Amino acid sequence: EIVMTQSPATLSVSPGERATLSCRASQNVSSNLAWYQQKPGQAPRLLIYGASTRATGIPARFSGSGSGTEFTLTISSLQSEDFAVYYCQQFNNWPPRWTFGQGTKVEIK
Amino acid sequence: VQLVQSGAEVKKPGSSVKVSCRASGGSFTNYLITWVRQAPGQGPEWMGGLIPALGTPNFAQKFQGRVTITADESTSTTYMVLSSLTSEDTAVYYCARGASLRAGLTNNYFYAMDFWGQGTTVTVSS
Repeated sequence: EIVMTQSPATLSVSPGERATLSCRASQNVSSNLAWYQQKPGQAPRLLIYGASTRATGIPARFSGSGSGTEFTLTISSLQSEDFAVYYCQQFNNWPPRWTFGQGTKVEIK
Repeated sequence: VQLVQSGAEVKKPGSSVKVSCRASGGSFTNYLITWVRQAPGQGPEWMGGLIPALGTPNFAQKFQGRVTITADESTSTTYMVLSSLTSEDTAVYYCARGASLRAGLTNNYFYAMDFWGQGTTVTVSS
C-alpha cells in the first residue's frame, strides 16, 4: 500500500498570507495526485487533480505542484473561507488501491 | 451530477450495514463509484470501488472479505455492505465518483473523486 504523509499537521496562517502544504508518497505516484478541502460537517471537495490542474470552479489562488513522491499545495492569499482541512490522495494503482494522507488543518493565526 | 446516500444507521456489534448511493444528473455506469469512510476526527479512508458497467469491485486490503459493493444500473444506485461490525466501524461513509479528468488542454488524463455524496453516519454500539 502506498502511504501518503502530509505536513505539517496544523498550519496557523493569518488571512491574506500564503500557505504551503506538503504531501509525500512512500513510492513514486508520478502526477497521479489530488488535493481536497474539507470543512466541518461536509464531504471533501476536489481542488486539484493531476498534481497541478485546478478542478472546475476552484479559484486561482489554489495551486498544486510536484511529481513522483513530493507534492505541494499552495494557497497564495488565504481567505476566510479557506480555513479548513486539506487532504492529498494518490491514484497510482490500477486496479485502484487509492490512499489518502492524514490531512493538514489550516487554522487562523 | 448528484450522489444521494441513504440515511443514518445505528447497528449492533457483529451485524451488517447496507448504505446506498443513487446517482442523478449524469452518467453512472462507466465511472468508478468509490466508497470512503471517515472516523470521528480522522482522515478519509478509501474502502473500495466499482465500475457498474464492468461489475467487478476492488477493495482496500483492510476491507477484503468484509465489504461488498454492488450496483443496480436500472436505478443508478450503488450499494455498500459492511459486515461483522465493531465499534471501530463507527464513521461517516461517503460514496464518490471516480472520474478520469483531462488536464487542461493536454491529452493527459488523471483520476480524481470529483462528486461526493452527502455522507451516511453509521454508529456501531451495543
